[in-house]
Amino acid sequence: QSALTQPPSASGSLGQSVIISCTGTSSDVGGYNYVSWYQHHPGKAPKLMIYEVSKRPSGVPDRFSGSKSGNTASLTVSGLQAEDEADYYCSSYAGNSNLGFGGGTKLTVL
Amino acid sequence: QLQLQESGPGLVKPSETLSLTCTVSGGSISSSRSYWGWIRLAPGKGLEWIGSIFSSGSSYYNPSLKSRVTISLDTSKNHFSLKVTSVTAADTAVYYCVSDTTGHYFGYWGQGTLVTVSS
Repeated sequence: QSALTQPPSASGSLGQSVIISCTGTSSDVGGYNYVSWYQHHPGKAPKLMIYEVSKRPSGVPDRFSGSKSGNTASLTVSGLQAEDEADYYCSSYAGNSNLGFGGGTKLTVL
Repeated sequence: QLQLQESGPGLVKPSETLSLTCTVSGGSISSSRSYWGWIRLAPGKGLEWIGSIFSSGSSYYNPSLKSRVTISLDTSKNHFSLKVTSVTAADTAVYYCVSDTTGHYFGYWGQGTLVTVSS
């Protein structure tokens, strides 16, 4: 059982926006600003998309944004493109040098 | 640009020890203040952090796996390793080696290697 809770699936039409949630507790998501998001196309290595809640690594389009409210973090993908179709995983520092992941959300672009 | 590459047996028998190596190029595992770690993705499951080791040698493990896992550095070969003892079918997964500077997220990933636990 994953430490963080994500919806198993999400979808949106080309050009639209979609929000993926990641719910934890005050011991992980709510307690630290160390939430990150990864994009995973099956068969390839996962790619860091967001770190420290809302920061984007170099090269990640600004269509991807992150936020947090209380114990829930969110990843917003705006202007959906076909290549955004992938699995998305959230992660959070959980204290005592421990990291937790969500179960993943399969994003479908309609 | 840092590059990571996993290697090791693709098939391990139940109750035996899974051993993987991650060869690092484009950087030194001992001179850079970085975390080197392992994450796995089991079929039908989400990503799972296994553990990390800092360039100084301090290691940190997922509490659910801590009793069976060891991560170590080999500075002479510029690689780091993962050992998981007493494996079961539940340890079947794609294993990724990862790295970054904080240990809270990982910007560098290997391509992953599938390890199947089966007799």
